Amino acid sequence: GNSVTQMEGPVTLSEEAFLTINCTYTATGYPSLFWYVQYPGEGLQLLLKATKADDKGSNKGFEATYRKETTSFHLEKGSVQVSDSAVYFCALSGGFNKFYFGSGTKLNVKP
Amino acid sequence: GAVVSQHPSWVICKSGTSVKIECRSLDFQATTMFWYRQFPKQSLMLMATSNEGSKATYEQGVEKDKFLINHASLTLSTLTVTSAHPEDSSFYICSASPPPQGLTEAFFGQGTRLTVV
Repeated sequence: GNSVTQMEGPVTLSEEAFLTINCTYTATGYPSLFWYVQYPGEGLQLLLKATKADDKGSNKGFEATYRKETTSFHLEKGSVQVSDSAVYFCALSGGFNKFYFGSGTKLNVKP
Repeated sequence: GAVVSQHPSWVICKSGTSVKIECRSLDFQATTMFWYRQFPKQSLMLMATSNEGSKATYEQGVEKDKFLINHASLTLSTLTVTSAHPEDSSFYICSASPPPQGLTEAFFGQGTRLTVV
């Protein structure tokens, strides 16, 4: 079946620190992989995605590479800002936009 | 981008009553919508797939008689929590995609926070 495992939070960083949030997946077939962000009191927003092996998704300084050999899709950002504080969800979709989410990782960035 | 809207954003109801949550695609038609629930400090779990003009498909462990889904038109799906109890308190969120389904980005509603007292 399909499942996503991501590192537990919360993750607390100082502004301008390097961020990594680990995500691994189990899937049948060839899923697309996503990172969604949820700001306090809001719904999910797509942060980035990758649709096939070795693709790199990137947006707003965040990036993640679809690694089929390690079944991973780790999220990275070189220099976080206070405004990046949110909950980040790794997800996969096997088709027709039916999603399977990881447990979410709360990121706190301190000035 | 496309917009998916949920209503209400939050609702408080008494135990034993029913609550209806609406999910609308505002600028596109969606033959399929998805309903998720998110418990505090946990991830979103897929509850069911809402299919326009036919019965919803429920994930394992989700009670279909408790969570009634009606996809009456190409722009509206409703989730009714029947005989709600405090353990049903959660954050419910829907998603939909513009056609062609499965080939475009999924858009999520802003969610509905249900509190059953």
